[in-house]
Amino acid sequence: RKEVEQDPGPFNVPEGATVAFNCTYSNSASQSFFWYRQDCRKEPKLLMSVYSSGNEDGRFTAQLNRASQYISLLIRDSKLSDSATYLCVSRNSGNTPLVFGKGTRLSVIA
Amino acid sequence: GAGVSQSPRYKVAKRGQDVALRCDPISGHVSLFWYQQALGQGPEFLTYFQNEAQLDKSGLPSDRFFAERPEGSVSTLKIQRTQQEDSAVYLCASSLVPGQGEEQYFGPGTRLTVT
Repeated sequence: RKEVEQDPGPFNVPEGATVAFNCTYSNSASQSFFWYRQDCRKEPKLLMSVYSSGNEDGRFTAQLNRASQYISLLIRDSKLSDSATYLCVSRNSGNTPLVFGKGTRLSVIA
Repeated sequence: GAGVSQSPRYKVAKRGQDVALRCDPISGHVSLFWYQQALGQGPEFLTYFQNEAQLDKSGLPSDRFFAERPEGSVSTLKIQRTQQEDSAVYLCASSLVPGQGEEQYFGPGTRLTVT
């Protein structure tokens, strides 16, 4: 079983839709959590960090539930440019290696 | 400013050949990570340097894989006697200060195909 699990998709949604991605992690020692975005044949780029209190960045909202070891990402008003793979990521502490899920592929359709 | 750069961007090797992949981190970044990303998978950790010290090599899949960062800046990942299962994108990431949870910035990767 992988340490970070997420539904690979693909999620095909129309422009303007709201879409939610979920992720679970198995290592209770994990301290930091992130969502990365990866475009086709490009490197991963940090989308946002995830906090227990929940955090929002424009159309994106991320949430962490430590008790359930569950992380979510909500995208509102989807744009064509949101089409990408979204990687759920954990890290144990400090500057330690990132642990990635397999990624969830999103296609936003006109 | 300049980001993380990697070379070559693409490498085709015949099975059994040795390859060397180079990573130039962002200037001044102390920490450097190598990850391997197979097709359809997320990146997986290979090894980690803090300056020139290799602090963690637990992710290297076999003793055919070797990494170095002799002067604490440029790093090279070497794969000896390449096998088909080594085909993947090799990503390098750097970050500024260890122990403070700094963001890791990724290079564009080297896509290795072993035939």
